[in-house]
Amino acid sequence: DQQVKQNSPSLSVQEGRISILNCDYTNSMFDYFLWYKKYPAEGPTFLISISSIKDKNEDGRFTVFLNKSAKHLSLHIVPSQPGDSAVYFCAASGNGNEKLTFGTGTRLTIIP
Amino acid sequence: GAGVSQSPRYKVAKRGQDVALRCDPISGHVSLFWYQQALGQGPEFLTYFQNEAQLDKSGLPSDRFFAERPEGSVSTLKIQRTQQEDSAVYLCASSPRLAFQETQYFGPGTRLLVL
Repeated sequence: DQQVKQNSPSLSVQEGRISILNCDYTNSMFDYFLWYKKYPAEGPTFLISISSIKDKNEDGRFTVFLNKSAKHLSLHIVPSQPGDSAVYFCAASGNGNEKLTFGTGTRLTIIP
Repeated sequence: GAGVSQSPRYKVAKRGQDVALRCDPISGHVSLFWYQQALGQGPEFLTYFQNEAQLDKSGLPSDRFFAERPEGSVSTLKIQRTQQEDSAVYLCASSPRLAFQETQYFGPGTRLLVL
């Protein structure tokens, strides 16, 4: 039972354009959502998070949007840069439990 | 400052061997987590410590898996009688637990290959 889903295994975007990565969840008890970026042979690196009391959080080139009614969140990267090429994981926690439930990841490739 | 460190980075074990994986969390971090990441999948929760107390071990796949954090700092994940299906990357993460919703910071992982 996959509670956090990233339905696009891969995405290619031209450098300078917007990258949009999507994530859906099924557990209505989730109240905190995070995006991590992972390079090969490294651990996941925290990018940005959002609490369920908000619908948007922005940090530089990265913006996360949360639509609670649709149980959907997205990560926008603008403008996309070659260094953004990595695997991106969506993760969620909730119900007073700190453990994270991860999606399967989306491999983002930025084309120069 | 120093991030989360894990050792060894790579481990090859023969089926049936016992292995021990070490995690050094960020200094002062109260919470420590272990995750298992199979190839092509996202990390999956194994167990969670708050200081030295193991508060959740619901993700440990079998009684061959054991974790400890005796002094509330360094943690060790031990796998007894390793099987081929234990081959994965084992990730450790820590968080300060200063607020209710916390970011977890991950180490580089230990890649375990069981032959």
